[in-house]
Parts: sequence; C-alpha cells; structure tokens
Amino acid sequence: GAGVSQSPSNKVTEKGKDVELRCDPISGHTALYWYRQSLGQGLEFLIYFQGNSAPDKSGLPSDRFSAERTGGSVSTLTIQRTQQEDSAVYLCASRMGGGRNTEAFFGQGTRLTVV
Amino acid sequence: AQSVTQPDIHITVSEGASLELRCNYSYGATPYLFWYVQSPGQGLQLLLKYFSGDTLVQGIKGFEAEFKRSQSSFNLRKPSVHWSDAAEYFCAVGGSTGTASKLTFGTGTRLQVTL
Repeated sequence: GAGVSQSPSNKVTEKGKDVELRCDPISGHTALYWYRQSLGQGLEFLIYFQGNSAPDKSGLPSDRFSAERTGGSVSTLTIQRTQQEDSAVYLCASRMGGGRNTEAFFGQGTRLTVV
Repeated sequence: AQSVTQPDIHITVSEGASLELRCNYSYGATPYLFWYVQSPGQGLQLLLKYFSGDTLVQGIKGFEAEFKRSQSSFNLRKPSVHWSDAAEYFCAVGGSTGTASKLTFGTGTRLQVTL
C-alpha cells in the first residue's frame, strides 16, 4: 500500500486478555518501529526492527510485551494479560533504513482500551 | 543514550504572531533531526528533517528549523502562525545505521492558536 497500515484502528479488551496489534509497513522499508502514546504523553519507544538484525527491544515495558516481524515485512505487537495501564495509542512507523534522507512514516495507530 | 528535550509543554500564540518551539537533543555523533506534527485525531506528519549541510532547513506549511551544534538545539520556527497550525509538535533525533537508527522523540509541545 501507499502508507503504513495498522489494524485494528480501535480495540477494547478486558483486563487479563491477550491482544495482537498488526502493522503493515511501506513496501521496501527495512526498518520498523513501535511506539506507545499515552493520553497527553509523548511517544514512548517500544521496539525497533532493522532488516535481519536482532531487534532492539530496549523499550518494551515488561515481559508481557513482545513483537515479531515475519519475512521482514508485517509486524505484530502482542500484549499478554493486559492491564489498564496498557491503554494507549500504539503507533507503528517504517523507514527505508540506513542511509541519508530517510524519515519514518507513521500509521494511524491502534487505540487500545483495557476495561 | 540519545534523548530529546522539549521544554515547553504548552504554548499559546495569537494568529499571525511568530512562533518558536524549542528542542534540545543529546546524541553521540552527528544527529539526524526531525520535526513531526500531530493534529487532533490524526497521525504524525513530517514537517522537516535535517541530515547534513545547510543548518537552516525549510519544511512544509511554512515551517523552518535551525540546527545549532554548539547548543545541541533544533528549534522550529514559523513567521506567522495560522489557526490551522494548532496541533502537537514532536522533535526527534536518530542516526543512520544500526541501533543508532532508533528514533527518540521528545514529549511534545502542544500549540494553541487564538484568533
């Protein structure tokens, strides 16, 4: 597609349930990022994939959070045993990768509400 | 570790007035710098970027930013603000290769424009 696509756009889940958030990056982009934006807060880095390199997971807040990227394209962010503090907008971005003149393009985000 | 500081959480300006949003960064090498804008209910849109060369960069919607290495700053400016500029503005720092490609965002500055 022309841009970064995220699904679902909205997700309401019960506390304790697992959720999966999907990101389809721009074709050919080797770098993919996940960020979390809580109400009134900035963008909190979660995880970063670059090509076939091991992902940078330094931003994942707990072991309930995990992400994978299959075939260097689609990525899934999984949150296990969701808690109310996980409620936020989860943003995905993709980037062409190393080199000059590469900015990140963002999806519209998935708004997660844990009730 | 790389970081970004946006010292102003909230700024209010009158339509037609000039604007400057501050951004200070910490990065161990020559940084790549970005300004993104997020309008209410919208995704993040790139305003402008700095990779190298001329330290004054022009962006979309009449915005510009100046990279000052000595001050570790990348402030965003606009000579005359329009009501449609009301939004949240994020400064980001990153690199070009490897783990340096992680993009770190500031906490954002919310701009309110009064008529």
